[in-house]
Order: sequence, then structure tokens, then C-alpha cells
Amino acid sequence: GDSVTQMEGPVTLSEEAFLTINCTYTATGYPSLFWYVQYPGEGLQLLLKATKADDKGSNKGFEATYRKETTSFHLEKGSVQVSDSAVYFCALSDLAKGDSWGKFQFGAGTQVVVTP
Amino acid sequence: SAVISQKPSRDICQRGTSLTIQCQVDSQVTMMFWYRQQPGQSLTLIATANQGSEATYESGFVIDKFPISRPNLTFSTLTVSNMSPEDSSIYLCSVAGIHGYTFGSGTRLTVV
Repeated sequence: GDSVTQMEGPVTLSEEAFLTINCTYTATGYPSLFWYVQYPGEGLQLLLKATKADDKGSNKGFEATYRKETTSFHLEKGSVQVSDSAVYFCALSDLAKGDSWGKFQFGAGTQVVVTP
Repeated sequence: SAVISQKPSRDICQRGTSLTIQCQVDSQVTMMFWYRQQPGQSLTLIATANQGSEATYESGFVIDKFPISRPNLTFSTLTVSNMSPEDSSIYLCSVAGIHGYTFGSGTRLTVV
């Protein structure tokens, strides 16, 4: 079945450092790809998404490009802030599969800690 | 996008008891889902809440343990039955419709 693999954390960075969180997926169809963020004590928030190959999702300085050839959707941010400390989840949802529509497969989550 | 109100936000329950979690959406949605996030782990889909029929459960989850209701297109409940400490998790509802996808803020359950 479909699955998502993302790099393990925690990732500890200094403020203004460059952040990359790797995410790869396996899917038999044509999934949409997502990054969700979970701040301490809060629920999931959609950070960005991409619905087809070569699409780039971006939000709040974060970017990720849907790479079909490498089945990847790596998250990047050029200069992190302390407020970016959170757990980041890569996820997919395959809109093409009728019985899977709306369902998400999540990666294990990567905790990011940004220090001043 | 849809706005979800999930209640309670947290609870501490005695083992052997049951807790019902509510998910209210501000608009009609086609699909509603329930997820579990065990401590330090990712989210796992429990079931799809089908309006007017029984929920569809994922492997490893059964109706007797997690009964679900969905009486209309804006509301669903998940009950965690006969709880044990292993049920301590965050439970989230999710909706999908023409607006896209939205997750509730979650219910943090601790079983003692």
C-alpha cells in the first residue's frame, strides 16, 4: 500500500540556519502530497501541499517540490526561527483512488528544535 | 476551508470506562475520518465515518472498541470503549470535501 518515509528527528538547529526535512513516498496512483505542522500542545495545521508532479508548495518561508522521478517531497526553509520549533509530518492522499479519497498516510513525524 | 469543533479537548479517564468524542463541522462534508496519534508516534487512521451507515474500519481497529456514529453530514462521534492505559493518545477527526481537507484540534486522552 501507499506509505511515507521521513527523516527521523529530533533535528536541532540554531536560529537563521537552513532546514531540510527529507520525505519520500511510495504510491501506486497519483497522490497529492502535504506537509503538516504540529506545534506543542496543538492540533495539526496544513503547512503546504502539492497536487501533481513538479508543483511547488510554499507557505511561511517553507517550500517543497513534488518530485515524481525521485518520489520525494522534501521540506526546506532558508532561515528558521525559534517559532518554527514543532513536529512536521509529511503525508499523502490519493484522490484518484475512490475508496481512499480523503484518507491520509502520514510519515512518522520529525521534531524540529530551533535554539536562539 | 471547513471549521471543526472537537470536544473535549482533553480528558483523564479511569480504566474500564468509555469516552465519547464529538466532531462538529460548520458545513456539510462528504467524508469524515477518525485518527489516533499515540505518544511520540504518527497518525494512524482508525475509520471512515459514513453518513447513514456503519463506519469502515482500518486493519487493527474494531467497532466494539471504537464505535462511531455519523447521524448527518456535519457531525460524528467516536467512542473509546473499555479503556486501558494503552488507549492514551490524541484522537483527531478530519473532514474532506469540496473545500479540501481539515483536521480538528484533537482530543488528548489519558487513561489512568
